[in-house]
Amino acid sequence: DGGITQSPKYLFRKEGQNVTLSCEQNLNHDAMYWYRQDPGQGLRLIYYSQIVNDFQKGDIAEGYSVSREKKESFPLTVTSAQKNPTAFYLCASSDGHLNTGELFFGEGSRLTVL
Amino acid sequence: AQKITQTQPGMFVQEKEAVTLDCTYDTSDQSYGLFWYKQPSSGEMIFLIYQGSYDEQNATEGRYSLNFQKARKSANLVISASQLGDSAMYFCAMRGETGANNLFFGTGTRLTVIP
Repeated sequence: DGGITQSPKYLFRKEGQNVTLSCEQNLNHDAMYWYRQDPGQGLRLIYYSQIVNDFQKGDIAEGYSVSREKKESFPLTVTSAQKNPTAFYLCASSDGHLNTGELFFGEGSRLTVL
Repeated sequence: AQKITQTQPGMFVQEKEAVTLDCTYDTSDQSYGLFWYKQPSSGEMIFLIYQGSYDEQNATEGRYSLNFQKARKSANLVISASQLGDSAMYFCAMRGETGANNLFFGTGTRLTVIP
C-alpha cells in the first residue's frame, strides 16, 4: 500500500548523541516535511523539501539537519546541538500543491533523551 | 505572518450528538487554505477536510463540515452524529504564506465522546 513509513517508532538517546530518524514515502510525492510535536504546542515545522537536493528551514530548524538525495527519502538528524530534543516527530509528504491538496503523514517517531 | 488559534483545549460530547470545534486564523494573504486534521492516540495525522478562501460553499466530507466565516476569520469544524471513534485530538491548520508550501498548525482540541 502507498504511504509514509517512519522508523524507528520509539528511540532513546543519551545526551550528546546524534540520532537519525528515517522517513520513506512511496506516494511519488515531490514535497516532504518534518514536524515536531510537543504537548500543548501543536505541530511546528522543522524542515521541508520541495524537490530532490533542495530543502528549506522551517520555524525550529536549529539543532536539526536533513538531506534529500532521493525523492522517496527525507531523513532527519537530531544533533547534540538540539537542547530539548525529547518530542514526537512527524514526517509528511504532499504532491507539492498545497493549494488544494493535503499533507500525508507517517505514524511518527517518539524520541526520548535520557 | 499566519496565525491559527484553537481556544478549546478539551471538549466533551455525547455520542450521536453534534459538536463544533473552534478555529480562528489571521493572515494578510488574499488566497489561503484551511485544513482540519484528526490525531488519534496512535499518533498519525488524518486529513479530514479542506476549505479554500475563495470557495463560496462550506466544505463537507461525510459527517464533517466546515463552518467558514471569512469576515470573522473563523473556520470551525462541525462533527455530526458523534461516534466513540471520534475521540481524538483535532488540529486546524493553514497553508503558509504565498509561495510557501507548508502548513501552520493550531495547538489542537482534545475531543472526548461520551457513551
